[in-house]
Amino acid sequence: KNQVEQSPQSLIILEGKNCTLQCNYTVSPFSNLRWYKQDTGRGPVSLTIMTFSENTKSNGRYTATLDADTKQSSLHITASQLSDSASYICVVGVNQAGTALIFGKGTTLSVSS
Amino acid sequence: GAGVSQTPSNKVTEKGKYVELRCDPISGHTALYWYRQSLGQGPEFLIYFQGTGAADDSGLPNDRFFAVRPEGSVSTLKIQRTERGDSAVYLCASSLTFGTNTGELFFGEGSRLTVL
Repeated sequence: KNQVEQSPQSLIILEGKNCTLQCNYTVSPFSNLRWYKQDTGRGPVSLTIMTFSENTKSNGRYTATLDADTKQSSLHITASQLSDSASYICVVGVNQAGTALIFGKGTTLSVSS
Repeated sequence: GAGVSQTPSNKVTEKGKYVELRCDPISGHTALYWYRQSLGQGPEFLIYFQGTGAADDSGLPNDRFFAVRPEGSVSTLKIQRTERGDSAVYLCASSLTFGTNTGELFFGEGSRLTVL
């Protein structure tokens, strides 16, 4: 069964600190892995998209890594800001015709001052 | 338009009523998706359009749910005989590319449906 598991479920950090969110997946055949940021009451916004051949991709203070062998990804946030408080969702694409995107439940990050 | 637009942003209805939720995708995006998101969960796939046709409707939970996209742009998600369990945020997304699911998805703000 195709699944995407994220950890931790929630996280609280102080402003300025770094943090790393984890994503493990059992999806086959793999096509791509995405990280989305979802602010409360808003739609998800894409942070990164990585294909099988990519093992790291950055978007400002966000850096995603992908290990296709172990089927793990991480999202590292550097020098956190209050505006980073949101849910971060890992999404894995299945390599088949159509739109098979498997969503994780997300990690809720709270950045406090 | 500049982004994906969804209306209404909030809808409160009574059990058994009929509801329509509208999605206006980014201009030129041929792929359109509907997702449902319950509190504390990730989005759950409902249906996907390529142009006017539903390419994949395997996520629709039952025959009370139906979606159309008659002219290949605006889409309407229709829910008949609503039940309390239908309460959720309904998200729409559009994409320039389709078929290989590598295109970037742009989401709307969602329509929050509450069934009393």
